[in-house]
Amino acid sequence: NAGVTQTPKFRVLKTGQSMTLLCAQDMNHEYMYWYRQDPGMGLRLIHYSVGEGTTAKGEVPDGYNVSRLKKQNFLLGLESAAPSQTSVYFCASNAGTGSYEQYFGPGTRLTVT
Amino acid sequence: EDQVTQSPEALRLQEGESSSLNCSYTVSGLRGLFWYRQDPGKGPEFLFTLYSAGEEKEKERLKATLTKKESFLHITAPKPEDSATYLCAVRASGGYNKLIFGAGTRLAVHP
Repeated sequence: NAGVTQTPKFRVLKTGQSMTLLCAQDMNHEYMYWYRQDPGMGLRLIHYSVGEGTTAKGEVPDGYNVSRLKKQNFLLGLESAAPSQTSVYFCASNAGTGSYEQYFGPGTRLTVT
Repeated sequence: EDQVTQSPEALRLQEGESSSLNCSYTVSGLRGLFWYRQDPGKGPEFLFTLYSAGEEKEKERLKATLTKKESFLHITAPKPEDSATYLCAVRASGGYNKLIFGAGTRLAVHP
């Protein structure tokens, strides 16, 4: 099992450009999450999904959109990138019931200039 | 509001020098406290889950303990390969297994 995978690993954008980050999991997990990690601030939840076709806002959702068209995939979109969105983005998944730990992908380092 | 605070921010140890990392939390009804290890440039790796005061979990040189207000990650006779950032998180109120993370403790173990 690959677990949770993320593409791309690195990306540099200019202000105003758009991009989509892809997360895939092969554990048949119901719940999926997108976080950003900034120095000294810990992981902060952007959006999450509790099943195929559902999405919900987390702690810092502004400037991001998400979609979960298939159970195994969770996409994070930036419609008009801003320098404040320079960060490391992590996707995670969780079984949903009876097991509460989240399993993380390797991350995407995004720089917006 | 659910909150997690970790201390110290950074810790430098000599190989074999045991120590503890602290995670204090404020949450309305603890429904799980989690410890993760994160190596540079990688995603967090799950270590332990604790659910109730007095509970302990062990893995190699690591032992996690839980009280009603805080958790400790004890590192016994650490080795350089234990160098990493250790993250603590609590399961948030509001369902959907959301986690609230602390900022982490950066541990460096020198030979």
